[in-house]
Amino acid sequence: ILNVEQSPQSLHVQEGDSTNFTCSFPSSNFYALHWYRWETAKSPEALFVMTLNGDEKKKGRISATLNTKEGYSYLYIKGSQPEDSATYLCAFAPGFQKLVFGTGTRLLVSP
Amino acid sequence: KAGVTQTPRYLIKTRGQQVTLSCSPISGHRSVSWYQQTPGQGLQFLFEYFSETQRNKGNFPGRFSGRQFSNSRSEMNVSTLELGDSALYLCASNSGASSAYEQYFGPGTRLTVT
Repeated sequence: ILNVEQSPQSLHVQEGDSTNFTCSFPSSNFYALHWYRWETAKSPEALFVMTLNGDEKKKGRISATLNTKEGYSYLYIKGSQPEDSATYLCAFAPGFQKLVFGTGTRLLVSP
Repeated sequence: KAGVTQTPRYLIKTRGQQVTLSCSPISGHRSVSWYQQTPGQGLQFLFEYFSETQRNKGNFPGRFSGRQFSNSRSEMNVSTLELGDSALYLCASNSGASSAYEQYFGPGTRLTVT
């Protein structure tokens, strides 16, 4: 059974703080790694899809890195804003067609 | 471009009944995946269809089945409902043939089994 672990489970920061989360996945049979943001009462929305070891992606204040050899990815949020409050999911693709999701990191940003 | 739509949005059923959920992907997307989310669990993969063929199946009992039509719309069926089937069911479509493409999720169907 493939295990994708995310830490921490939840995080409460103040507006303006920078924060980061970790996604750990099996280092064998790597195909792709996804990050999604899931706001309450909305659908999960893709942030990044990374496929190569050493990949770094950035979208505004959010960035992500990937290390496939050791099986982890980091998601960084610089200068957190209240609108960043959401659950952040990572999903590991061990093959061509399947995604295995972690349980997510719930972020709350207080004004 | 219209997003992924799911119907119905909410459903209440009793144990033993069966239910059918529907998902319409983004126009042009041929891959549709289904996921179940229960409290405390991540999204659990149910199955994935591409061009009317089931390509992958998760670890769910045979009571869970699905199909995809020629217009890429997909249905998921759960027979002999159990209380533990109460969950949010999400479908997602993507534009490519592999898991290297981002998934576009629908709003989900909230199923409650009493």
